[in-house]
Amino acid sequence: DAGVIQSPRHEVTEMGQEVTLRCKPISGHDYLFWYRQTMMRGLELLIYFNNNVPIDDSGMPEDRFSAKMPNASFSTLKIQPSEPRDSAVYFCASSSGRQPQHFGDGTRLSIL
Amino acid sequence: GENVEQHPSTLSVQEGDSAVIKCTYSDSASNYFPWYKQELGKRPQLIIDIRSNVGEKKDQRIAVTLNKTAKHFSLHITETQPEDSAVYFCAVLANQAGTALIFGKGTTLSVSS
Repeated sequence: DAGVIQSPRHEVTEMGQEVTLRCKPISGHDYLFWYRQTMMRGLELLIYFNNNVPIDDSGMPEDRFSAKMPNASFSTLKIQPSEPRDSAVYFCASSSGRQPQHFGDGTRLSIL
Repeated sequence: GENVEQHPSTLSVQEGDSAVIKCTYSDSASNYFPWYKQELGKRPQLIIDIRSNVGEKKDQRIAVTLNKTAKHFSLHITETQPEDSAVYFCAVLANQAGTALIFGKGTTLSVSS
């Protein structure tokens, strides 16, 4: 079991640039979740998918954030344009039905 | 929507002591309560979970208790060890329809030897 795979592990970019974070869920899992973690706000759910379909995106902070899941093995979270306040650790997690969620190692994003 | 409050935010204990972390939730229909452990710079990992049809679950030195009437659940760690030092998060389901979790703000546990 390879686990949830996220890339890149670290990203440093300048304000205004487009940022794309990637996630490969565990094979066979039908739910995929994107979270953002900061010291101030903790772990926040941004969006989640079921069978590649977005179910709830109410946690997406602004229109600058978008997420897609073109197939069962790949999802992206995009920020355009990026701002310093977007700096955080972004986690992807997946689960099968109502089984526990498994997290990836996260992407540490720094916007200068 | 669902709301989760977690206390304390920090907890320091001596090795061998017990540690207890408590979470309260708002939706009485919540039926799944996991606990995650996150070591510094690493991903959250599930350590124990409980469903609403039981009041307590144990796994070696860790246990979770659930009081549905009072809408709170607690993590108990006995015989703490330095490697238990981490941030612990409780969570509940965001709604009954799906599997999305709402997390507490976390408790930083420090175990000193």
